[in-house]
Amino acid sequence: EAQVTQNPRYLITVTGKKLTVTCSQNMNHEYMSWYRQDPGLGLRQIYYSMNVEVTDKGDVPEGYKVSRKEKRNFPLILESPSPNQTSLYFCASSLSGQLYNEQFFGPGTRLTVL
Amino acid sequence: QKEVEQNSGPLSVPEGAIASLNCTYSDRGSQSFFWYRQYSGKSPELIMFIYSNGDKEDGRFTAQLNKASQYVSLLIRDSQPSDSATYLCAVDSNYQLIWGAGTKLIIKP
Repeated sequence: EAQVTQNPRYLITVTGKKLTVTCSQNMNHEYMSWYRQDPGLGLRQIYYSMNVEVTDKGDVPEGYKVSRKEKRNFPLILESPSPNQTSLYFCASSLSGQLYNEQFFGPGTRLTVL
Repeated sequence: QKEVEQNSGPLSVPEGAIASLNCTYSDRGSQSFFWYRQYSGKSPELIMFIYSNGDKEDGRFTAQLNKASQYVSLLIRDSQPSDSATYLCAVDSNYQLIWGAGTKLIIKP
């Protein structure tokens, strides 16, 4: 089944404790992206990747890191999480960086930072 | 800062009626426009995309684009309770998708 997977789905952590949220797609998509979704603010892009070893900042990159060592994986790293990073996170992928391609979303990761 | 504006709702529509969802955007250079549906607690899924001025129909859904007015809308005919969800408008801007905050639609049986 073609899909985007994220792990963990739910995470409660404390300020300053490094964490990684994994994202993997099995559709051989070139483009991958991370979003956060907060009430009243919609989806905001954190980072995106047009292809392996190519990553770029989105609108809200502060406090986050990403890597794209393999085509299928695009992990999101929070080196020192803070309470304002409490949010719902979505990973998405599409065939290419051309924006007319449909983006497929993972199931989401709900993160709480205490 | 490029913006996409949607009325947050909730928009309440009787079953069988037409639901009309609206979206305005600020970047005159935008070329691609998308409507996604998001059920509570779930991830967004694409309903329709439109690139050209005018109407595009797909089953019960019609997307309408007016680039001069920087306005895109989604009409849902014969609304069903299963259409109750939040509808997200997304617009391309400088190789990114800019998202509206979404309109919550409630279809009343």
